[in-house]
Amino acid sequence: GNSVTQMEGPVTLSEEAFLTINCTYTATGYPSLFWYVQYPGEGLQLLLKATKADDKGSNKGFEATYRKETTSFHLEKGSVQVSDSAVYFCAFHNQAGTALIFGKGTTLSVSS
Amino acid sequence: EAGVAQSPRYKIIEKRQSVAFWCNPISGHATLYWYQQILGQGPKLLIQFQNNGVVDDSQLPKDRFSAERLKGVDSTLKIQPAKLEDSAVYLCASSLVERDSGELFFGEGSRLTVL
Repeated sequence: GNSVTQMEGPVTLSEEAFLTINCTYTATGYPSLFWYVQYPGEGLQLLLKATKADDKGSNKGFEATYRKETTSFHLEKGSVQVSDSAVYFCAFHNQAGTALIFGKGTTLSVSS
Repeated sequence: EAGVAQSPRYKIIEKRQSVAFWCNPISGHATLYWYQQILGQGPKLLIQFQNNGVVDDSQLPKDRFSAERLKGVDSTLKIQPAKLEDSAVYLCASSLVERDSGELFFGEGSRLTVL
């Protein structure tokens, strides 16, 4: 069935370190892929997205590339900041207008 | 543009009591979703509406949960009677079907604690 697998957290990094959060998915057809972020005390908000194979989504220094051959959508950032501390969720849906399927989330903690 | 509004933000009840959550989606968004997010887990879909019709309620525990979206705008999610395992954040989201990506916009959630 449809599912998302994210790397287990928490991930603890020092400021300016390189970040990778792995995400793989199991889906039918050609899903659209998303990363959502949940800052402490706030709601889920879209971080970036990619709608077709080889697309790269980017926002706020974060990037993720839609890899259909490996069914992956890993999140990366070259230099994290303390303000990036949050929970990151990988998600997808098989077509617009359908519900998103989420991974369990990965908690990132960045210290100065 | 106003975001998705939810209330109440927090609710504490005892088991077997009832509770209701309200959601007002972004204006013009035809699709509305209710998700349940248990601590340490990702959001799980409870029910999806398209206008005022139900699209998917396959994961809604219908013996205790109910939801409605009268007039295709606001929605209410009710739990009666509540169980301890219903403690979670209830998230409402909305989307424009016409958008290619189908991005969902989320409210801040309603945190339920069942004692």
